Amino acid sequence: TQTVSQSDAHVTVFEGDSVELRCNYSYGGSIYLSWYIQHHGRGLQFLLKYYSGNPVVQGVNGFEAEFSKSDSSFHLRKASVHWSDSAVYFCAVSANTGYQNFYFGKGTSLTVIP
Amino acid sequence: EAAVTQSPRNKVAVTGGKVTLSCNQTNNHNNMYWYRQDTGHGLRLIHYSYGAGSTEKGDIPDGYKASRPSQENFSLILELATPSQTSVYFCASGGTGGALEQYFGPGTRLTVL
Repeated sequence: TQTVSQSDAHVTVFEGDSVELRCNYSYGGSIYLSWYIQHHGRGLQFLLKYYSGNPVVQGVNGFEAEFSKSDSSFHLRKASVHWSDSAVYFCAVSANTGYQNFYFGKGTSLTVIP
Repeated sequence: EAAVTQSPRNKVAVTGGKVTLSCNQTNNHNNMYWYRQDTGHGLRLIHYSYGAGSTEKGDIPDGYKASRPSQENFSLILELATPSQTSVYFCASGGTGGALEQYFGPGTRLTVL
């Protein structure tokens, strides 16, 4: 069974700051990693994903994430945040099967102060 | 654009009553999922389906049933609702293969009194 750990429940930064949201996973097989964003009162929306190749993947709105096999991590970063980035961010792991069952972390709530 | 809708958006039920949450997707995805979201737990998978006529148990299926009568529709059924089932419920659809992202509905807020 895959597990996903997001060590920070809450992160607060000022507009224009950079931010890194951490995600660590445990799974021995071939997996897909992804990040989702949830604005208040809304469903989750896909941000980006990684399976193989370049360990740094680009997503929407200037987000990127870096995969590290040695650290079992897939951290999300943004160089300069905007107040509209305030949301809850979920990291997810999916095994390389045909059934696309995802395991989500508990989420990190990002607050951006204007 | 991929679309997943849920109804109702809000529901208040009484303990012991029957509740049905509905989900419709226009993505033509084979896979559909029901999650609940609670503070401190993130998203937890209740039931999922690989296609019309199939339902599978997720991580927390107790107290819930699911029905997938067609490719587009996936329902979650609480036969005897309890206060512990007060939560926000999300439906999602996804294609086959782990590389494909899931598309989520807007959620249903259920309160069981």
